[in-house]
Amino acid sequence: GQQLNQSPQSMFIQEGEDVSMNCTSSSIFNTWLWYKQEPGEGPVLLIALYKAGELTSNGRLTAQFGITRKDSFLNISASIPSDVGIYFCAGLGGSQGNLIFGKGTKLSVKP
Amino acid sequence: DTGVSQDPRHKITKRGQNVTFRCDPISEHNRLYWYRQTLGQGPEFLTYFQNEAQLEKSRLLSDRFSAERPKGSFSTLEIQRTEQGDSAMYLCASSPRGDRNQPQHFGDGTRLSIL
Repeated sequence: GQQLNQSPQSMFIQEGEDVSMNCTSSSIFNTWLWYKQEPGEGPVLLIALYKAGELTSNGRLTAQFGITRKDSFLNISASIPSDVGIYFCAGLGGSQGNLIFGKGTKLSVKP
Repeated sequence: DTGVSQDPRHKITKRGQNVTFRCDPISEHNRLYWYRQTLGQGPEFLTYFQNEAQLEKSRLLSDRFSAERPKGSFSTLEIQRTEQGDSAMYLCASSPRGDRNQPQHFGDGTRLSIL
């Protein structure tokens, strides 16, 4: 079945640093999504990517849809303590439009 | 615009009991999805509705799991004869009309704990 590999699994960074995480797949996806999840809450949509090669920003977040449609990365610039959480990539490509998620990257930011 | 609402937020029950969770999607969204999330994992797809029609249910984990969306608005997920392995977060998501690549918006989930 389709699987997404996210890396790194976790990151410990200092406030103000930039962060980069990525996601690769054995299958092609038509849409890539990035979500953030905080403890006890559901995933919150950060960025949606619809076209191979697309680069999209949302404030300090930037994400790109890989040319091969099998990968995506998310960058966070000038991290702040409230960036703490688990970041999930998800490919939208199931037969019914269901999402296939990676295992997440856990981000910790030290003030 | 209210988001996806799930009830209850937490459910603790004894093994063997039946449980039912409710999801109210964003009002103009006609697609509704159920996912299950266990610790350290991303959400895993369970089932999908377009309006009141359940278009995919083969991913439901066993025949103890069932879901309904009788009027095409709210949905319920029922687990019968719960087992300890059912302990997880159950998430609901909805997406609007249009092509199926519309992004999904999630509720805050129901956390189920089986004693």
